[in-house]
Amino acid sequence: NAGVTQTPKFQVLKTGQSMTLQCAQDMNHEYMSWYRQDPGMGLRLIHYSVGAGITDQGEVPNGYNVSRSTTEDFPLRLLSAAPSQTSVYFCASSRMGTGVSGNTIYFGEGSWLTVV
Amino acid sequence: GENVEQHPSTLSVQEGDSAVIKCTYSDSASNYFPWYKQELGKRPQLIIDIRSNVGEKKDQRIAVTLNKTAKHFSLHITETQPEDSAVYFCAANNTGGFKTIFGAGTRLFVKA
Repeated sequence: NAGVTQTPKFQVLKTGQSMTLQCAQDMNHEYMSWYRQDPGMGLRLIHYSVGAGITDQGEVPNGYNVSRSTTEDFPLRLLSAAPSQTSVYFCASSRMGTGVSGNTIYFGEGSWLTVV
Repeated sequence: GENVEQHPSTLSVQEGDSAVIKCTYSDSASNYFPWYKQELGKRPQLIIDIRSNVGEKKDQRIAVTLNKTAKHFSLHITETQPEDSAVYFCAANNTGGFKTIFGAGTRLFVKA
């Protein structure tokens, strides 16, 4: 059981280039999300999805696009990379909770992105 | 939207002492409060969680308390060990599991 798999692990981009971070989960989780982690800023939510065909913005969505064509995949696209997007990106998934039954978030291993 | 504040940002304790990390949240609709531990270069992993219908939960050396009225929750680690050294994140999540929002993290150092 692979859990949450994200690629690439490391990437260097030039300003203005575009790229896609891939994310896949094999746990049949409805909920998937992308976070970025910067020193002193914690984990900030970029975009999330509650199911195939449904996406919504998180705390810091500007400069990023997502789509959810299948339950398993949730790619994150950087449209025109900027140095401010240098960060560690984590994809995550969980089952949907109802009422007070929240559910564990499972994170991928992270993608280290540098924009020069 | 939800906002989660976490304090302190850095905490240094002697091995065997206790460590306490505190978080506050803003959205009264939040009802699930997990804590994650992230070791250097690794992914965050859940260590304990608490739901809004419970005031306290304990798992061996770690415990979490929740005060819904004051909108704050805390992580307590007793008898700290060097392997407890890591970054700890609190988070808040509303009904249905949407939009889990994390605090900024606490870097815990346990000195041997």
